[in-house]
Amino acid sequence: TQLLEQSPQFLSIQEGENLTVYCNSSSVFSSLQWYRQEPGEGPVLLVTVVTGGEVKKLKRLTFQFGDARKDSSLHITAAQPGDTGLYLCAGASGNTGKLIFGQGTTLQVKP
Amino acid sequence: DTGVSQNPRHKITKRGQNVTFRCDPISEHNRLYWYRQTLGQGPEFLTYFQNEAQLEKSRLLSDRFSAERPKGSFSTLEIQRTEQGDSAMYLCASSLWSWDRGDNEQFFGPGTRLTVL
Repeated sequence: TQLLEQSPQFLSIQEGENLTVYCNSSSVFSSLQWYRQEPGEGPVLLVTVVTGGEVKKLKRLTFQFGDARKDSSLHITAAQPGDTGLYLCAGASGNTGKLIFGQGTTLQVKP
Repeated sequence: DTGVSQNPRHKITKRGQNVTFRCDPISEHNRLYWYRQTLGQGPEFLTYFQNEAQLEKSRLLSDRFSAERPKGSFSTLEIQRTEQGDSAMYLCASSLWSWDRGDNEQFFGPGTRLTVL
């Protein structure tokens, strides 16, 4: 069974601080996607990483895919209150493409 | 808006009743996925379609659940004889899949929140 472990589960920080969220597995994924979800809404795709060692940047967010395609990290620089939300990593499994999700990281950024 | 849409957004029903949810994917997408999310958890895969063919069903999908995608466009998810444990957010996602694409990016709808009393 493929599992994705996300850490930390909860994070409460002050505006302007940096943070990193980790997503780890013992399984290899063909791709890994990061989503952000607001309460009562569906997940919104932030980025997809496909190649081992790949790094992608989206403004203040930096995403990295591990060399072995088993783990990933999300780093936010100078967090803002608008970054508050649930961050989910999801690994794509084989040809079905079905996503295996981590438990999510709830981020609260206080002004 | 050309994103994934789901209806209804909220559904409250009594235990034992049947409910049906609808998902309209992004128009050119050939794959459609259903997921279920309970409070404090990430979404869990239920089933998926490639065009009109249902290619995989999770063990989570009991025989009370049935999904269709009759013309390879919209999909419906029906739950018969609902139970309180069925209360969750039901999410639909679509993707444009081909053998030469490595990512299978999935785009989610807003979800249908089901409450079974």
